[in-house]
Amino acid sequence: EAGVVQSPRYKIIEKKQPVAFWCNPISGHNTLYWYLQNLGQGPELLIRYENEEAVDDSQLPKDRFSAERLKGVDSTLKIQPAELGDSAVYLCASSRGDRVPDTQYFGPGTRLTVL
Amino acid sequence: AQTVTQSQPEMSVQEAETVTLSCTYDTSESDYYLFWYKQPPSRQMILVIRQEAYKQQNATENRFSVNFQKAAKSFSLKISDSQLGDAAMYFCAYVTQGAQKLVFGQGTRLTINP
Repeated sequence: EAGVVQSPRYKIIEKKQPVAFWCNPISGHNTLYWYLQNLGQGPELLIRYENEEAVDDSQLPKDRFSAERLKGVDSTLKIQPAELGDSAVYLCASSRGDRVPDTQYFGPGTRLTVL
Repeated sequence: AQTVTQSQPEMSVQEAETVTLSCTYDTSESDYYLFWYKQPPSRQMILVIRQEAYKQQNATENRFSVNFQKAAKSFSLKISDSQLGDAAMYFCAYVTQGAQKLVFGQGTRLTINP
């Protein structure tokens, strides 16, 4: 079974530029999560999807961050414009969504560097 | 506030020996679940072990076991017969029954000395 796939693995951009991250969850997983992991810290949830619906986006900075999960499968997280403080690892995770709590399976992450 | 504290930023152990990683948490919920995740240098987070708060028996997965002290809100991870492949960041986390949001600690970097 393929794991959670994320791309790109690394991204370097200039501040004020836009950037997008892509996530493909494990097949059949209805729940998808985006986490932010700053250097030396544990991940923090940005947004959680149940199928196409964003059910928890309370920690997503909506002035510059946006996310979508069309058709309830792949998801894209976008930052526009990027700031220096956005440099971090962005992790995607998925779970089956049929039990509480679900075991979350994580992707390898995208390391973003904003110059 | 709901928090998870890992007081050991770094730990090291000799190969084949035993090491214990500490974790305390703070939640007002009575029904929750606790986890230890491992994050090797490739950065893919992997579930090591989980514990349901309503269960008194400590969870065990092969060389990994936990010491769950509910009253003290403590959840330590013991790794027996440490192997080089155990080297990684270890994160303690919990999720409450009503939410699906994992709350993570800051992690402990474990080094295995050959």
